[in-house]
Amino acid sequence: DSGVTQTPKHLITATGQRVTLRCSPRSGDLSVYWYQQSLDQGLQFLIQYYNGEERAKGNILERFSAQQFPDLHSELNLSSLELGDSALYFCASSVVGRGDSTDTQYFGPGTRLTVL
Amino acid sequence: GENVEQHPSTLSVQEGDSAVIKCTYSDSASNYFPWYKQELGKRPQLIIDIRSNVGEKKDQRIAVTLNKTAKHFSLHITETQPEDSAVYFCAASSNQAGTALIFGKGTTLSVSS
Repeated sequence: DSGVTQTPKHLITATGQRVTLRCSPRSGDLSVYWYQQSLDQGLQFLIQYYNGEERAKGNILERFSAQQFPDLHSELNLSSLELGDSALYFCASSVVGRGDSTDTQYFGPGTRLTVL
Repeated sequence: GENVEQHPSTLSVQEGDSAVIKCTYSDSASNYFPWYKQELGKRPQLIIDIRSNVGEKKDQRIAVTLNKTAKHFSLHITETQPEDSAVYFCAASSNQAGTALIFGKGTTLSVSS
C-alpha cells in the first residue's frame, strides 16, 4: 500500500458523459500527478498540481480538467467522454515536486474507466 | 519535450538468468531516472531510481546504470525468479517545468522456471 488512495476503483459510463475521479495523496505530500495508461499509449503524464496550484501540463485534452483542493486531495474531471478515453487513470504523489531535486512519486491503485 | 525509448518490448528468460532492459532519453536536462514494476491490473511500484550525479546504483539483485553522455540508462536484474515476471517501465524527469515522469513504453519480462 503506497498511501495514495483513489476512488472509484471502476467506472463504467457512456459516451458524451462526464465523470470525476478522486485522489488523496500520502500524508505530507504536496504534489499530485495524474497519469493515463492505455494499451496503445502506455503511461502518459496529464497534469501536476503542487500545493493547490497547477505546476505542469502534459498531454491533457481540453475536455479534461483537474484541481487540487486546500486539503490537498485532487479531482480529475473528464467530460464529453469518447470510447478512446477508456483507460486506467493513476494518481501519484510526492513530497515536494519542485526545486532542484525530483522526489519519488508513489502511485495510487488507479481508476479503471470504461466508456461504452 | 522529453522522449524516452525503451527496449526490448518483451523479454523471456529462464529462472536464474540475468535480464537487461535499456532506455534512452532525449532531454539532456533530465536528472532523475526511476524504474517501476507493474503487475497486471496493479499500480506501478518503484523498484530503484538513480539521479544524474551517480553512475550506478545497486539494491540486492537489481542494479541501474546511467550514461549521461550517451543519454541512456539500463536496468539489470540478476538471478531472476518467476516473481520478477511483470511489466517494467523506465522514466525520466527533467525538473524543468514541474517534475512529471516521462515513461518508456514498457518491457514485459517473463521468467520461466
